[in-house]
Parts: sequence; structure tokens; C-alpha cells
Amino acid sequence: EPEVTQTPSHQVTQMGQEVILRCVPISNHLYFYWYRQILGQKVEFLVSFYNNEISEKSEIFDDQFSVERPDGSNFTLKIRSTKLEDSAMYFCASRDRVANQPQHFGDGTRLSIL
Amino acid sequence: QKEVEQNSGPLSVPEGAIASLNCTYSDRGSQSFFWYRQYSGKSPELIMFIYSNGDKEDGRFTAQLNKASQYVSLLIRDSQPSDSATYLCASTNSGGYQKVTFGTGTKLQVIP
Repeated sequence: EPEVTQTPSHQVTQMGQEVILRCVPISNHLYFYWYRQILGQKVEFLVSFYNNEISEKSEIFDDQFSVERPDGSNFTLKIRSTKLEDSAMYFCASRDRVANQPQHFGDGTRLSIL
Repeated sequence: QKEVEQNSGPLSVPEGAIASLNCTYSDRGSQSFFWYRQYSGKSPELIMFIYSNGDKEDGRFTAQLNKASQYVSLLIRDSQPSDSATYLCASTNSGGYQKVTFGTGTKLQVIP
């Protein structure tokens, strides 16, 4: 069964550094998402992406965050200047064109900011 | 703020029993509802989804939706120790891009 793949599985970065989290969505999917989950808290929506542009973003997704689909397969989340509170699991998800279908999640990237 | 509410648990059931997990949501415009299972440190894994009022069964799992009461539930029959996990209730909004709003999850413990 096709799956969403994320790399790296664990990223350790110094505060203030830039990080890029990478995702390869399922190939025929058209909608892409990033979520994060701080340890012990619920999964929170960050951003949705469709037709090469951001379709919706949450309050968390401030100017430090950006997303890009640099080619036909990758979908990236960049955090420009990381803060301690950015430490979390980051999940990428994708969904096909049919409405009301579930999103498929990747295994996540654990981001640790020191 | 559109919310999905769940009892955090833990909910403890003996092996072989029925586990009943409940969820309410505040956004009447919510379209679809999902139950994800999440093991500690892992990503959410889809168990069931439902978007019509009534019951939907898949193996040992039954999802129930009551839009009038804004209530979703998940029944797990013949619970197994491997079902022990946190169960996340989630909904999608009425917008075209359908972001998912998650509840905080209910921790289920199946006692052998």
C-alpha cells in the first residue's frame, strides 16, 4: 500500500538554526498538510497546501514557517530560526481529490531544539 | 474555537470485552469524522472514518455518528492487549481543503 514518507526521523538542531523537514506524499494525492504534536499534547494543524499554494494555515504557522513543493514529489516544511518551543513531532499528511476521504499520515519527524 | 472533546482516560477494559470510546464536537459544519490509533511516539494510524449518521462496521470496530447530538463513538469488540493505545477522534471542517481537528485522545488499556 502506498505511504507517506518523512525524513529525517529525528532532527536535533541548535536554537536559532534553520531546519527543513521533508515529506514525500502519496503519488496521486493532491492535498498536503503539516501537523505538529508537542509531547503529551494533541495533534495540531499547521498548514494545508493545494495547487502549489497555501490554502489554509493556523496561528502557529507564523513568518518563521514556510512550505514548498520544489518538485513533483517532495513537500517540505522549513522553520527559519528555531525556538525551544518548536520541539515536537511533525507529521506530514496527504489526501486524494475525493472529498471526505481520510488523510494519510507519515511516520513523523521528531524535532529536538537544544 | 472549533473543538473536538474526548475523555483523556485511561479507559481500562478486560481482554475480550467491548471498549466504548466517545467524542463530541462543536462545529456543526464538520463533514467527516475519523478515529485514529496512536501508539506512544508514533504517528496516527487510521482505524475508521464516517460521514453519514448511523453506524459503520469494519471487523471488530464500529463507528457511530449522531450529527444532531454532535457525537461520535467507537466500539471495539473482543478487545485485545494490542489494542492498548491512545485513540484520537478527529473531524474535518466544511472548507474545501478539509484540515483535520483532533481531540486530545483517550488512552485505552486492555488488561490481559
